[in-house]
Amino acid sequence: DTAVSQTPKYLVTQMGNDKSIKCEQNLGHDTMYWYKQDSKKFLKIMFSYNNKELIINETVPNRFSPKSPDKAHLNLHINSLELGDSAVYFCASSRLSTLTADTQYFGPGTRLTVL
Amino acid sequence: GNSVTQMEGPVTLSEEAFLTINCTYTATGYPSLFWYVQYPGEGLQLLLKATKADDKGSNKGFEATYRKETTSFHLEKGSVQVSDSAVYFCALQGGSEKLVFGKGTKLTVNP
Repeated sequence: DTAVSQTPKYLVTQMGNDKSIKCEQNLGHDTMYWYKQDSKKFLKIMFSYNNKELIINETVPNRFSPKSPDKAHLNLHINSLELGDSAVYFCASSRLSTLTADTQYFGPGTRLTVL
Repeated sequence: GNSVTQMEGPVTLSEEAFLTINCTYTATGYPSLFWYVQYPGEGLQLLLKATKADDKGSNKGFEATYRKETTSFHLEKGSVQVSDSAVYFCALQGGSEKLVFGKGTKLTVNP
């Protein structure tokens, strides 16, 4: 059973396009996250949702818009893609609220390449 | 703000060697500390954690002790295997703050 799943696994697209990445968790967790991992493996949080409510919104360009239709899903839409958006994007979830020291469970990642 | 500093990699060891990956942190209050591991082509997974001073987290032969006096949470394993090759991330979460990761340390274990 896949706990946190993401689609697609790979995404190659041209600059200026709009794309979405989907995430689903079947753990019954209340909180979900999006992280960006750059080419040097540095991992940084982008967004966090708790029960469909936005909790954390780091200084991410407005071109990135998360959407949580229900607490098991957190999608990431990116408008007007730029070269610098190339990275691996990880979805994660945790049982408790964002701001508690709870284990986070990560998806397999989506490798986005912008040409 | 909270921050984590871990030793720069890459680290290359032979099988059965002793492993230490250093991690120090800066935080107010009493954060919880974590080690996550990322195997090639996969997402991160929790390796171990400690939630208060002097706690020792352990899993799969790895250990780390929460040292408040030295603000450290070094990862150790007595005898590494090829299958331990991965990127290791130290992380902390303090109070009502988000999880903060170190920059990761890539470990390669050769047979």
